[in-house]
Amino acid sequence: TQLLEQSPQFLSIQEGENLTVYCNSSSVFSSLQWYRQEPGEGPVLLVTVVTGGEVKKLKRLTFQFGDARKDSSLHITAAQPGDTGLYLCADHNDYKLSFGAGTTVTVRA
Amino acid sequence: DAGVTQSPTHLIKTRGQHVTLRCSPISGHKSVSWYQQVLGQGPQFIFQYYEKEERGRGNFPDRFSARQFPNYSSELNVNALLLGDSALYLCASSLGGIAGELFFGEGSRLTVL
Repeated sequence: TQLLEQSPQFLSIQEGENLTVYCNSSSVFSSLQWYRQEPGEGPVLLVTVVTGGEVKKLKRLTFQFGDARKDSSLHITAAQPGDTGLYLCADHNDYKLSFGAGTTVTVRA
Repeated sequence: DAGVTQSPTHLIKTRGQHVTLRCSPISGHKSVSWYQQVLGQGPQFIFQYYEKEERGRGNFPDRFSARQFPNYSSELNVNALLLGDSALYLCASSLGGIAGELFFGEGSRLTVL
């Protein structure tokens, strides 16, 4: 059974600061996805990465996928209060998603 | 266009009762998946249905069952509720292809007393 570990569990920063959250898997990802979930809502897909070593940028968010396809990081530059939420990584394998426990990010104004 | 809609949004049950949760997928989506999210954890896969057939099932007891209707909407049923069934139940829809993007609803918050 694949285990996804996310760190840190909680992160609280001031607006304008940078942050990085991590996701590590006990086995190779089929297809790694990052989601953000805001309170009272369902997860929303941010990015899908498939190729080892891949780097994707989405405005102030930068996603890196490890060469061995077992780890990933999400870096946010100049965080804003709107970035507050639960960040989840997941392995998308065929018909299902296997999620990590997530990192709760709070950006203070 | 409407996104994935779930009902009810909140409900309270007592141990031993039964609950039915409902989900309407995005128009044109033929696949519906159900996930359970316990507080402080990531969502856990329960079921996926495609064209009214069960495509996959997660590690949940037989008290959990689901079905998909001809209009692609879906129901999740849980019998003999336990305190540990308290969670946010998320429905997600997709076009149906393998590895297709999932779109989640806002969830149904179930509290079992």
